[in-house]
Amino acid sequence: DVKVTQSSRYLVKRTGEKVFLECVQDMDHENMFWYRQDPGLGLRLIYFSYDVKMKEKGDIPEGYSVSREKKERFSLILESASTNQTSMYLCASSLIGRGPNQPQHFGDGTRLSIL
Amino acid sequence: AQKVTQAQTEISVVEKEDVTLDCVYETRDTTYYLFWYKQPPSGELVFLIRRNSFDEQNEISGRYSWNFQKSTSSFNFTITASQVVDSAVYFCALSEITGSGYTGKLIFGQGTTLQVKP
Repeated sequence: DVKVTQSSRYLVKRTGEKVFLECVQDMDHENMFWYRQDPGLGLRLIYFSYDVKMKEKGDIPEGYSVSREKKERFSLILESASTNQTSMYLCASSLIGRGPNQPQHFGDGTRLSIL
Repeated sequence: AQKVTQAQTEISVVEKEDVTLDCVYETRDTTYYLFWYKQPPSGELVFLIRRNSFDEQNEISGRYSWNFQKSTSSFNFTITASQVVDSAVYFCALSEITGSGYTGKLIFGQGTTLQVKP
């Protein structure tokens, strides 16, 4: 089974702090994703990476950056946290290899509160 | 543009009732993939099914069944004899395709919250 692990289930930080959310997958997937989920807005893609050191902006990248130094790890960085970044953050990964559109596999999510 | 619409925001049923979750999609492509995910209260999205546009056979897996109708651009999900453990948010998603082909990204609907009461 694919395992996508997010470093924290719950996190509380202060406005202005630099926040790191870590995600690790154990199935050698090329693609990795960061989403945020808010009530009434569904899942929104923040950033996407299709290979080491490669990244692509999603629908809502403002205020975020990402890092993919190793294939298994994809980090989301809030450069200067603000209260409107309080949300549920979900990491996912998927395989390119066997043709298009392999399903994405998700972590448990990190519920981040910015005070 | 591609789009997925789940018009039902919330559904509440009593245990053992059958319930259908609607999903309507928009795409100009002839080849595409559709997905359903379940998000229980614990938070993790769990992959349920993938269907490609050439396979219009309905699929059944235990109490779950999926009805794919290209003519109406719908991919509906039915739970038969619902149980309390089915309470979750359910997402329908469509593969994203650009001029360069599949991007690997998914376009998600807004989700339908299903509450099954005992």
